[in-house]
Amino acid sequence: QQPVQSPQAVILREGEDAVINCSSSKALYSVHWYRQKHGEAPVFLMILLKGGEQKGHEKISASFNEKKQQSSLYLTASQLSYSGTYFCGTDYYGGSQGNLIFGKGTKLSVKP
Amino acid sequence: EADIYQTPRYLVIGTGKKITLECSQTMGHDKMYWYQQDPGMELHLIHYSYGVNSTEKGDLSSESTVSRIRTEHFPLTLESARPSHTSQYLCASSDVQGHYNEQFFGPGTRLTVL
Repeated sequence: QQPVQSPQAVILREGEDAVINCSSSKALYSVHWYRQKHGEAPVFLMILLKGGEQKGHEKISASFNEKKQQSSLYLTASQLSYSGTYFCGTDYYGGSQGNLIFGKGTKLSVKP
Repeated sequence: EADIYQTPRYLVIGTGKKITLECSQTMGHDKMYWYQQDPGMELHLIHYSYGVNSTEKGDLSSESTVSRIRTEHFPLTLESARPSHTSQYLCASSDVQGHYNEQFFGPGTRLTVL
C-alpha cells in the first residue's frame, strides 16, 4: 500500500527542472507533497484531490492522474533552497480519512 | 503565533527509563498525529487522535502510548525505553473541518536510548 516514489535521488544545477513521481496501486482520494530539509520537520507543499482540486505553493506545481493513480511534482527553475527530501503521502479510499501513508522519499540536491 | 511545539528536541536516556515526549499546538486543530522516522527514511504513523479522549494506533506497531486530555496537548509515553526505540519522533496536527486537511509538523524529538 506504500506509494512508490521515483526517482530515489536527483542532482540538479540551479535553474534546471525536475519531476518527481508518486504511484499507487490503490485508488487515491488525495495526494500530499511535503519537503523535509536535513534535521528539520516536513513542510507542506501541495495537496491534490481526486477531481482536480489542489492547493499549494506558487512556484511548485503538481498533477494527479486518476487513471494511473499517479501524481507528479514539478519543480521548475530550481533554486538552492529546493534541496531536501520530497515525500508524497497518500490517502486511500476506504482508509482512515486524513491519515497518510508516505513514500520512501526523493532526495533532491541543487548545486550552484 | 499559531504553531506546534515539541519538547525536548533531543533526549539521550538509558535503557529502562520512562520518558514522555511533549507535543502542543496552538492552532485549535482537532486531529493530531505521532510519526516515527529513522534517519533518511520515510515517516511511519504510530498514533493519532481525532480530539479529546480519542486515541488510535497507527500503521506501525509501537510500544508507546498516547493521551489526549486537552485539545492542544498530545503527549507520547514510553514506559521502559529500549535501544530499538532510538529514532526521531514527529508530532503533527491538522484541521479536519477543512477540505484540504494539510498536516503541520512540529520540529521533532530526536531520541537516543543507550
